[in-house]
Amino acid sequence: SAVISQKPSRDICQRGTSLTIQCQVDSQVTMMFWYRQQPGQSLTLIATANQGSEATYESGFVIDKFPISRPNLTFSTLTVSNMSPEDSSIYLCSVGQRYEQYFGPGTRLTVT
Amino acid sequence: AQSVTQLDSQVPVFEEAPVELRCNYSSSVSVYLFWYVQYPNQGLQLLLKYLSGSTLVKGINGFEAEFNKSQTSFHLRKPSVHISDTAEYFCAVSGNTNAGKSTFGDGTTLTVKP
Repeated sequence: SAVISQKPSRDICQRGTSLTIQCQVDSQVTMMFWYRQQPGQSLTLIATANQGSEATYESGFVIDKFPISRPNLTFSTLTVSNMSPEDSSIYLCSVGQRYEQYFGPGTRLTVT
Repeated sequence: AQSVTQLDSQVPVFEEAPVELRCNYSSSVSVYLFWYVQYPNQGLQLLLKYLSGSTLVKGINGFEAEFNKSQTSFHLRKPSVHISDTAEYFCAVSGNTNAGKSTFGDGTTLTVKP
């Protein structure tokens, strides 16, 4: 298993600003995933981040809006850029180990 | 490609009654199946998983699920629910080629009434 922590746990941000979310894992993992969960909805995969390579973004998500860093095998960041109220969501970091997935507690973002 | 369909978006039930949350999947490869629970204002917690072996899988909090390959289903059951089981439940599937990246269903809101 893997234990994942995220910072911040929640934030309220103003329109037009950016927020960087940090994800720390207690063990080395190859693949890390970033998800968005909009209010009352399921999880939507934003991108997959492998160490040492560019993140792979899903349809509808672009690097300019959601830049991701993956400097080592235990850490990643997701930035939500130029925020609008539509970006208000829970952002979840996740790691894959073999066939299983583990999730962080999430970052609750409210954009005003 | 994989997909997951949770057949009920909302399931209201009275306390101590049995409950079944339905999940169907489609996949072109061998599958691994999961149920997660999300309590209000919390992250996702793994309830149970099917990787191989016995098709009846037992999880935490008295939940169990049965993998039915012919019906491509993985329904979640509990014989007697509690108020504290009120939460959002997600069914998910991953395959042997995607290193743990799962496809999630839309979720089922279980509301347990007194």
